Amino acid sequence: QKEVEQNSGPLSVPEGAIASLNCTYSDRGSQSFFWYRQYSGKSPELIMFIYSNGDKEDGRFTAQLNKASQYVSLLIRDSQPSDSATYLCAPPWMDSSYKLIFGSGTRLLVRP
Amino acid sequence: ETGVTQTPRHLVMGMTNKKSLKCEQHLGHNAMYWYKQSAKKPLELMFVYNFKEQTENNSVPSRFSPECPNSSHLFLHLHTLQPEDSALYLCASSQVASSTDTQYFGPGTRLTVL
Repeated sequence: QKEVEQNSGPLSVPEGAIASLNCTYSDRGSQSFFWYRQYSGKSPELIMFIYSNGDKEDGRFTAQLNKASQYVSLLIRDSQPSDSATYLCAPPWMDSSYKLIFGSGTRLLVRP
Repeated sequence: ETGVTQTPRHLVMGMTNKKSLKCEQHLGHNAMYWYKQSAKKPLELMFVYNFKEQTENNSVPSRFSPECPNSSHLFLHLHTLQPEDSALYLCASSQVASSTDTQYFGPGTRLTVL
């Protein structure tokens, strides 16, 4: 059974702080990850795609992938109230060339 | 219209009704997906079409019937649904059906089955 685990939250941080969102996965073969953001009542939108060990930075967002530990994280620097949303982690299924497994997501609240 | 559009945005239906959800993508993509999102549960993949061919039926009950007449349009035909089928139904598209291709989501159809 392939699983993706995320703390459901809510993770509450003050405005300007660093928010750290974590994701663990059971499929040792997962080579890449998507992070999606979903605002309440809206559809998911892509934040980041990471496919190699280490860090990938895009503006205020940094994704970190550690394949050996089967752990991926998303850091949001200088958090803003507009970052308040649910963040979904999604690795591909290794027995499929196109399926993604989505975690339940972590709800982030950024307090003004 | 840009991106991925879905109609209707909200749908209330009885268990004996027949209705259809429509999805259209304006991105020139070749793969389209149907997902179900229930409260407090992860996104569940239902169907995948790649170049109009169905490549995935993720053990979805036959009361859900997909149709993909061309690469830009995807339908989900509904009949004799159950109250537990109430959920947000999301359509997505990607360049091709690949686990490294970004999937772009439509706004979803909020379905309520009475």
